[in-house]
Parts: sequence; structure tokens; C-alpha cells
Amino acid sequence: DAGVTQSPTHLIKTRGQQVTLRCSPISGHKSVSWYQQVLGQGPQFIFQYYEKEERGRGNFPDRFSARQFPNYSSELNVNALLLGDSALYLCASSLENGMTSYFGQGTRLTVV
Amino acid sequence: AQSVSQHNHHVILSEAASLELGCNYSYGGTVNLFWYVQYPGQHLQLLLKYFSGDPLVKGIKGFEAEFIKSKFSFNLRKPSVQWSDTAEYFCAVNAAGGFKTIFGAGTRLFVKA
Repeated sequence: DAGVTQSPTHLIKTRGQQVTLRCSPISGHKSVSWYQQVLGQGPQFIFQYYEKEERGRGNFPDRFSARQFPNYSSELNVNALLLGDSALYLCASSLENGMTSYFGQGTRLTVV
Repeated sequence: AQSVSQHNHHVILSEAASLELGCNYSYGGTVNLFWYVQYPGQHLQLLLKYFSGDPLVKGIKGFEAEFIKSKFSFNLRKPSVQWSDTAEYFCAVNAAGGFKTIFGAGTRLFVKA
């Protein structure tokens, strides 16, 4: 079975631009979570979606938004990019809330 | 709010040495606990997990962890490390049935051959 897939793998954007990151969960997984991992730190929770509804949100500004589609894939959008948004963005899927999360390879976003 | 604290940011060991990485969390309710590992150039992988039952859990590659509820701890252990254990290790917690998993800052382990 395919694992969690994320696209693109790398991305370079300019300050002020907008970016969309994509995630396909493991088949059968209904929950998708997004994390931001800055170099030297652990993943920081951004969002969790379950059955296409936002179920949890971390301490991130409104510039960050996400959605989950009927096929359970998900997009993370970040508007008005700042240099500080440069990070590895991880997507994780799980069968249900609170269950084991399986991570994708991540999207490395660089804002210049 | 939930938080996870990993005591060691960098650990250097020789092969065959024993390993113990500390992890403490703050949350008053029922929790699920995880250790994830990230090998160089690879994605985060589950090492082991605790949901309920026996507080001593065994994971892949000879790792184990012990949940001590009274100490809010979930320390990771391995009796004899190998060079291939060089990686970054993350402790994580979520409230049972909860919506977000909180990660510690990670511990970078380097094993000298």
C-alpha cells in the first residue's frame, strides 16, 4: 500500500506570495493532520481534519488554512508568506482521532 | 495545555552502549504516547506506542519504553545501540481520542562505530 504522499517535495516562494501544499493519506485513513517543522525543533501541530471537518487547530495565524476533500486528501494554504514560514511541512494520516499517525516525506518550503 | 519535554537534545554513544532517552509530558487526562524516529534523509516513522495495558511496551529494532503515570514519563530505552540507530528521536502525546498530537523538541542520537 502507498504511504502518505505529499507534493511538491520542495518549493521556493517569495515573501507575500501564497502557497498550496497537497497531501494524500493512506487508503482508508479518514484523519489528516498538518505540522510545521522548523530546523532543530519537533513538529508543531497546525490543523487536524477528520471526515472533512476541521477538528483541531494549533497556534498559527489565520494566514494558514486547510481543507479536506471527499476522498480524504487535503490541502494546506498559506497566504502572505513570511520568511519565518520557511520550514518542512508534514502531513500525517490516521484511521481515527488519537490513533497512530503515519507521516509523509514533507514539503520543504523556502521563503525568500 | 499539553506539552512534551525531552531532556536530552544531543546524545553521543559508542556502539553496544545502553540508551535511555527521557520524555515527560503535561496533561491530566488519559493519553496516548508515542516515540517516532527520523533516520537521516527519511520521514518520521513510528518506533512504538502506548495506548493502554502493560506500561512496558516494545517496539521495533529492540527499543522499548516504560509509561510511568505517576511521573508523567515515557522514557525510551535500548540495551545495546548500533551505529544504524543514529537518528533523531521524538516523543509525542495526544489526549485519548483527541485532535492533536504534541511533539517534543527531539533528541539527536549519534552512535560511534
